[in-house]
Amino acid sequence: DARVTQTPRDKVTEMGQEVTMRCQPILGHNTVFWYRQTMMQGLELLAYFRNRAPLDDSGMPKDRFSAEMPDATLATLKIQPSEPRDSAVYFCASAPGLVPHEQFFGPGTRLTVL
Amino acid sequence: ILNVEQSPQSLHVQEGDSTNFTCSFPSSNFYALHWYRWETAKSPEALFVMTLNGDEKKKGRISATLNTKEGYSYLYIKGSQPEDSATYLCASDTGGGNKLTFGTGTQLKVEL
Repeated sequence: DARVTQTPRDKVTEMGQEVTMRCQPILGHNTVFWYRQTMMQGLELLAYFRNRAPLDDSGMPKDRFSAEMPDATLATLKIQPSEPRDSAVYFCASAPGLVPHEQFFGPGTRLTVL
Repeated sequence: ILNVEQSPQSLHVQEGDSTNFTCSFPSSNFYALHWYRWETAKSPEALFVMTLNGDEKKKGRISATLNTKEGYSYLYIKGSQPEDSATYLCASDTGGGNKLTFGTGTQLKVEL
């Protein structure tokens, strides 16, 4: 059955290293979201794309985070350099273009920055 | 209301009890209200997407109502079961582009 996939599922890295998280949206979905789960904020939106174009990345720290969609089947979230405060679970979600519509979440990437 | 707020933060009920939670959201520029169910170690799954004032949706023992004029939604669970234990999130879409602002959730624990 169709589902959003994310890799890696777990990532442990050291402060200062580059981290790349990948997401494959459900085939046919043209809207992709990146969320971060934190204890304080719950689920916060970092960035989202429609038809591969970034619509809003205001939730993302610009100096170290970047999000791209190289093609319709791949979205990436990159952190460079990583810091301990970036430790969190990062979720990708996708939705079809018709709005409003439920979002389908991937399993998440648990990032630990030491 | 400027943000999406949910209450209570957590809830413990006995199996068979009925329960309800509240979601408050900005009523201006309202477009849609989403409810998601989030089990521990899993990812959020959609329950309902609601748009019309007075709308009521139902899925099995779970139902939700929506008041867009005053900016609140209720989620009801009838006859709670242990498998209903999860965090229930609501999210508001105020831009119409499916960009959601999530509340911090109500954590439900159903005990035998």
